[in-house]
Amino acid sequence: DSGVTQTPKHLITATGQRVTLRCSPRSGDLSVYWYQQSLDQGLQFLIQYYNGEERAKGNILERFSAQQFPDLHSELNLSSLELGDSALYFCASSVGGAETYEQYFGPGTRLTVT
Amino acid sequence: AQKITQTQPGMFVQEKEAVTLDCTYDTSDPSYGLFWYKQPSSGEMIFLIYQGSYDQQNATEGRYSLNFQKARKSANLVISASQLGDSAMYFCATQNPIQGAQKLVFGQGTRLTINP
Repeated sequence: DSGVTQTPKHLITATGQRVTLRCSPRSGDLSVYWYQQSLDQGLQFLIQYYNGEERAKGNILERFSAQQFPDLHSELNLSSLELGDSALYFCASSVGGAETYEQYFGPGTRLTVT
Repeated sequence: AQKITQTQPGMFVQEKEAVTLDCTYDTSDPSYGLFWYKQPSSGEMIFLIYQGSYDQQNATEGRYSLNFQKARKSANLVISASQLGDSAMYFCATQNPIQGAQKLVFGQGTRLTINP
């Protein structure tokens, strides 16, 4: 158990819908990261938050947004869903700061868009 | 831009043998980290081992060791005395901390199968 929690574990929804994925980082970690894993794109970084502020952005679509709340949990919002958004979405957390740190991953949310 | 290359899509190894999973990286930054993660069929990503670019010695964690060859930009994972439970996907990743941004860039992965 990495200490990172993600809900829900599975999500099945229809095209055009909107969903929210939730993540709670490990105790003491200030940075939260979101990654998408799909068969064609592999593991891709989406976005990083550090202590409530956006720190880095990757290949995140405009239909996707995220935020980190004062209690450090994070939510990833996916809207106007398309079939191609079906993937495993991971949240990870780390201490953060300016150096290299290992990131601990949650169990993932498997999103299926039908 | 950072890039990770894992040239072995799949590997088959006999139980109890040692196995080396290849990873080469491309970065122009002097400070970076190298990571290996394991993804079993259940889907979770499990952190295995970390090597910093300034570390003089190769990292080790139990049966895992990282063969870090900086001049060759290589960071191979060595698993000693393989076990059936080692069957999984293995991902190499790099991290270049720039202004606090610490995204991981992953390779395509190697699927390791341990045969009894």
